[in-house]
Amino acid sequence: DTGVSQDPRHKITKRGQNVTFRCDPISEHNRLYWYRQTLGQGPEFLTYFQNEAQLEKSRLLSDRFSAERPKGSFSTLEIQRTEQGDSAMYLCASSKGRGGTEQFFGPGTRLTVL
Amino acid sequence: ILNVEQSPQSLHVQEGDSTNFTCSFPSSNFYALHWYRWETAKSPEALFVMTLNGDEKKKGRISATLNTKEGYSYLYIKGSQPEDSATYLCAFIGTGNQFYFGTGTSLTVIP
Repeated sequence: DTGVSQDPRHKITKRGQNVTFRCDPISEHNRLYWYRQTLGQGPEFLTYFQNEAQLEKSRLLSDRFSAERPKGSFSTLEIQRTEQGDSAMYLCASSKGRGGTEQFFGPGTRLTVL
Repeated sequence: ILNVEQSPQSLHVQEGDSTNFTCSFPSSNFYALHWYRWETAKSPEALFVMTLNGDEKKKGRISATLNTKEGYSYLYIKGSQPEDSATYLCAFIGTGNQFYFGTGTSLTVIP
């Protein structure tokens, strides 16, 4: 399968714990995006990478969130000291170029913070 | 925060009916407008990427138009089928390359 993959698909954690999610984009795609989606809302942009460089980070993103794409391939999103408000679907997408090219989405990671 | 609005929020139509929904976005700093279909338990799937004012795109029974001067795009589905049931999302991409998604239109096609 050459699509975007995310791991894990589901994560349940207790408040205050750290969690890390992984995204593997389509191999030739240089752009990688992270989104958060809550019930009844569209995906909310969090951050994106071009190759290994993190070019944009949403102002809504607290400093408990950090993302990396160390070799320009897979990416990780870490949430430290999770809060119940972090419960959401975290989506990853990749694309070949700028905003004029379609994004390919992964299946998402569903986070539940108890 | 940039506002991208979609209407209606949800829609129920009979099989065979044609339908359309709207995406409204800022008319300034426009770079591109995307439409995605998101079926339950699946990933969002791109339908159209539109960049030019007046663009019209078509894929089978689904088509879309774009008006960047007034800040709206329409998505049309002709002869709706039950497999068209999904949430349809639009995303505004500004010149700063951030993606702003609308909240989606949930379409249910009743057999």
